[in-house]
Amino acid sequence: QKEVEQDPGPLSVPEGAIVSLNCTYSNSAFQYFMWYRQYSRKGPELLMYTYSSGNKEDGRFTAQVDKSSKYISLFIRDSQPSDSATYLCAMIGGIYNQGGKLIFGQGTELSVKP
Amino acid sequence: SAVISQKPSRDICQRGTSLTIQCQVDSQVTMMFWYRQQPGQSLTLIATANQGSEATYESGFVIDKFPISRPNLTFSTLTVSNMSPEDSSIYLCSVLPPRRQPLDYGYTFGSGTRLTVV
Repeated sequence: QKEVEQDPGPLSVPEGAIVSLNCTYSNSAFQYFMWYRQYSRKGPELLMYTYSSGNKEDGRFTAQVDKSSKYISLFIRDSQPSDSATYLCAMIGGIYNQGGKLIFGQGTELSVKP
Repeated sequence: SAVISQKPSRDICQRGTSLTIQCQVDSQVTMMFWYRQQPGQSLTLIATANQGSEATYESGFVIDKFPISRPNLTFSTLTVSNMSPEDSSIYLCSVLPPRRQPLDYGYTFGSGTRLTVV
């Protein structure tokens, strides 16, 4: 079993839809949870990160962490064609005492149709 | 956040040759990471480049195939040696955020090097 599981999709939605992207994990030591967006032929771009459980909102994006269920989500409201990309979750326990290594999910390919 | 520049952005190489990829950061960082992303796949960590000491390689990656240099706190190189078509991938570098800086100061990525081996 992989430490981080993410549905690879592809996921196709109409413009304006609410998108839910999810990851599950098995390591209860994870404390920092990140979401990256990667456009085709580009490097990953850090969208948001969350420490421990709870929600974090940034514009149309909301990140949720439920440590009791070992489940994290990224919601995109009013999705736009420009949101079409691959979204990767990543996580880590203690940053400096674990060599700083992120564990990535497989990535979900999202397509938002006009 | 830290700004990372990678060179070259892409290359097409003959099998059996080697390619050195450069990663330059606009500020001093403790650790730099090298990743590989094969077509349609997620990111796999190759190694951690530590300034002043040998790089630390992940399982399945060896120094003879992927030698790494880290001459100072802002620069690192990854060499892909004796290349075969299976090495065709995107190679990316990233950095650890400095202590007492927000996490999103680091963990950013360069734009990547798209390598095709023919």
